[in-house]
Amino acid sequence: DSGVTQTPKHLITATGQRVTLRCSPRSGDLSVYWYQQSLDQGLQFLIQYYNGEERAKGNILERFSAQQFPDLHSELNLSSLELGDSALYFCASSVGDRVVSYTFGSGTRLTVV
Amino acid sequence: EDKVVQSPLSLVVHEGDTVTLNCSYEVTNFRSLLWYKQEKKAPTFLFMLTSSGIEKKSGRLSSILDKKELFSILNITATQTGDSAVYLCAVPTSGSRLTFGEGTQLTVNP
Repeated sequence: DSGVTQTPKHLITATGQRVTLRCSPRSGDLSVYWYQQSLDQGLQFLIQYYNGEERAKGNILERFSAQQFPDLHSELNLSSLELGDSALYFCASSVGDRVVSYTFGSGTRLTVV
Repeated sequence: EDKVVQSPLSLVVHEGDTVTLNCSYEVTNFRSLLWYKQEKKAPTFLFMLTSSGIEKKSGRLSSILDKKELFSILNITATQTGDSAVYLCAVPTSGSRLTFGEGTQLTVNP
């Protein structure tokens, strides 16, 4: 157990639907990162939050949004889902804003049918 | 554009063999390079390298960075079936965002 908790582990949903992925960072970590891993694109950075504030944004689609709450857990919202959104979504956390040796959660496997 | 390239993409060896995985990079403002091991799910952190020529070791795994030639290698000696995994190389490219290579799928057969 890495200490980073992601729920749910698996999610199957239909095109056009909206889902929320949840992440609880490791105790003491203030930064949360979201990554998408699909078969053809490898691990791609989506977004980072630090202590409740958005810090960096990657190639995140407008249909996707995220937030970090005062208790530091984070949610990634994916809407108007398309087949191509099927992927593993990882959350990672680190203690600081610029600490790169972060710890990954086990991921949520999203399948859009 | 920042780029991280790993080779080979796939490798099949027998237990006891020694393997070398390669990672080359082109990034502005290089700070460090990281190696992760990904088995079924979560990538797990192996090494972070910041200085050229200094080998990092952990058991049968070792890694070295060459900042002049812009690459790193990950060596695994006396491989075991439990070493079968995808090995990912990553470089911070902006703040603490990591850019990952495609990974090397290592299969160790008994």
